[in-house]
Amino acid sequence: KAGVTQTPRYLIKTRGQQVTLSCSPISGHRSVSWYQQTPGQGLQFLFEYFSETQRNKGNFPGRFSGRQFSNSRSEMNVSTLELGDSALYLCASSPEGLAGLNTGELFFGEGSRLTVL
Amino acid sequence: AQTVTQSQPEMSVQEAETVTLSCTYDTSESDYYLFWYKQPPSRQMILVIRQEAYKQQNATENRFSVNFQKAAKSFSLKISDSQLGDAAMYFCAYLRGADGLTFGKGTHLIIQP
Repeated sequence: KAGVTQTPRYLIKTRGQQVTLSCSPISGHRSVSWYQQTPGQGLQFLFEYFSETQRNKGNFPGRFSGRQFSNSRSEMNVSTLELGDSALYLCASSPEGLAGLNTGELFFGEGSRLTVL
Repeated sequence: AQTVTQSQPEMSVQEAETVTLSCTYDTSESDYYLFWYKQPPSRQMILVIRQEAYKQQNATENRFSVNFQKAAKSFSLKISDSQLGDAAMYFCAYLRGADGLTFGKGTHLIIQP
């Protein structure tokens, strides 16, 4: 069974641009959650999508958005990039989502490393 | 808001020895889940061990075990017989419902051969 796939793995953008990151979950998993990892703030929850609906959102500005498609693939978008958005963006999938983690676990991708210049 | 604190930014242990990583958390809830995740260099984060707060018995997975002290809000990870492959960042995480995982800042574990 293929794991969680994130694309692109590395990208460089400049301030003010926007970026779209993609996450393909494990086949059969309906939930995708996104996390931002930085040396200063650590790992922070961005949002979770389950069956094409955003279930929950972390404490991030509206510049951060996402969506999920009918095949469970998810994209996150960051508009008007700032230097502080440089980070490793991780996505994770699970069969039933964060609410169902008592029975399952999160499966993480390798991440997309975004550098904003 | 829930917070998770890992007070040891870095730990070092000799191969085959035992090491304990600390984690404390702050919550007003009584029903939640706690996790330890491992992130090897440039590799995916993987689940090491899971603990349900309503269970008094400490979780164990092979060489990995936890010491869960609910009243003290403490959730430490013990790694026995440390191996070179255990070298990684270890993150403690808290979950309640669909609120998203709250992670600690991580502990960098170094295994000395």
